[in-house]
Amino acid sequence: QSVMTQPPSMSGTPGQRVTISCSGSVSNLGTYTVNWYQHLPGTAPKLLIYGNDRRPSGAPDRFSGSKSGTSASLVISGLQSEDEADYYCAAWDDSLNGYVFGAGTKVNVL
Amino acid sequence: HEQLVQSGAEVKKPGASVIVSCQTSGYAFTAYYLHWVRLAPGQGLEWMGSINPHSGDTNFVPRFQGRVTVTRDTSITTAYMELRRLRFDDTAIYYCARDSGSFSRRFAFDVWGQGTVVTVS
Repeated sequence: QSVMTQPPSMSGTPGQRVTISCSGSVSNLGTYTVNWYQHLPGTAPKLLIYGNDRRPSGAPDRFSGSKSGTSASLVISGLQSEDEADYYCAAWDDSLNGYVFGAGTKVNVL
Repeated sequence: HEQLVQSGAEVKKPGASVIVSCQTSGYAFTAYYLHWVRLAPGQGLEWMGSINPHSGDTNFVPRFQGRVTVTRDTSITTAYMELRRLRFDDTAIYYCARDSGSFSRRFAFDVWGQGTVVTVS
């Protein structure tokens, strides 16, 4: 059980806007920046967002991130079929003295 | 271009040890921390720890301390993760990943290995 909570799954149709939440605490999101990773089974995870809201080169601009207090969000604007994957938020946690991932959210494209 | 290539799948018995290698190329090996992340069946991603390839210093979460060792060979820009006293619940895909921060840990992993499946059976 992760110290950062994400919804287990979400669904949307192509073109829809999907928002994935990540709820933490003072010891993680309240103090440190959040990163988001996309993982398609059978492939290596991919960095989507770092530093709360920055996109690395190669990450599609339909992905955006934000953070406020102890919560963070990843928005997929204009869901596409290739976005069907698992999404993880991640941040350093002082209480655990380690880098922690959320439990992950599986996004299904209907 | 930057690349991490890991060693192949392993099948081990409980109590045994496994070594996973992570061969890097395309960037300054000693300038970027390498991290180890695993994905167990039905579970989420789990950060295990990291190595500073410049100094060799390592840092692991408490649950792996005493069972894991990570070393590096700068001459061949390769890191090695040894996990000892394997248990059934160590069955997972093990990834090495590069930290995007130069000479610092940002914990934004921008380059990943392809993963190594370790099965304890």
